[in-house]
Amino acid sequence: DAKTTQPNSMESNEEEPVHLPCNHSTISGTDYIHWYRQLPSQGPEYVIHGLTSNVNNRMASLAIAEDRKSSTLILHRATLRDAAVYYCILRDPWSAGAGSYQLTFGKGTKLSVIP
Amino acid sequence: DAGVTQSPTHLIKTRGQQVTLRCSPKSGHDTVSWYQQALGQGPQFIFQYYEEEERQRGNFPDRFSGHQFPNYSSELNVNALLLGDSALYLCASSLGGVNGEQYFGPGTRLTVT
Repeated sequence: DAKTTQPNSMESNEEEPVHLPCNHSTISGTDYIHWYRQLPSQGPEYVIHGLTSNVNNRMASLAIAEDRKSSTLILHRATLRDAAVYYCILRDPWSAGAGSYQLTFGKGTKLSVIP
Repeated sequence: DAGVTQSPTHLIKTRGQQVTLRCSPKSGHDTVSWYQQALGQGPQFIFQYYEEEERQRGNFPDRFSGHQFPNYSSELNVNALLLGDSALYLCASSLGGVNGEQYFGPGTRLTVT
């Protein structure tokens, strides 16, 4: 799997938007961009994923650069519950064969939310 | 609808011993993956089970083995425990499709003394 680069940590004020960047300059044409987050003392949870177009769901938005070498996870209004480690992961489902895949986690970005 | 459950929550073992961790997947899921997370690090993939067979394996020694049962639940076994095996062990379930999201359990904290 291609590598991703994320800042080690970020801070945000509560109720402000948060933009979490991820660089993936060696991304291949079939790599999907996945975001997971891990709240303290919990397992990771899925946030969002996309391939080329920007994506929105109830949790967040994913903005993908036109050349796909970077992406940004957007939390529209940070809450204290959003304090977590956020992981940006690339995955090519076709390289693993149908019906199986793994997630390759880096160290992620630790997001602190200030009340 | 219960999510992914793991047992036990915490475990303390001595070097050289063997341990078995258990995982029940989210209802309707048929694929189980296991991850090891050392303190301050991201989770590392150990292996994945589908249709009771190991489908993929990460860079872990043969001391790590697993099993999947017909009801899709799974066990992770670690033999000859080392101090370096102390970690949070996470189980994740998914549907066998190529791009389905993975649902993680809360993990089992293993301490080897």
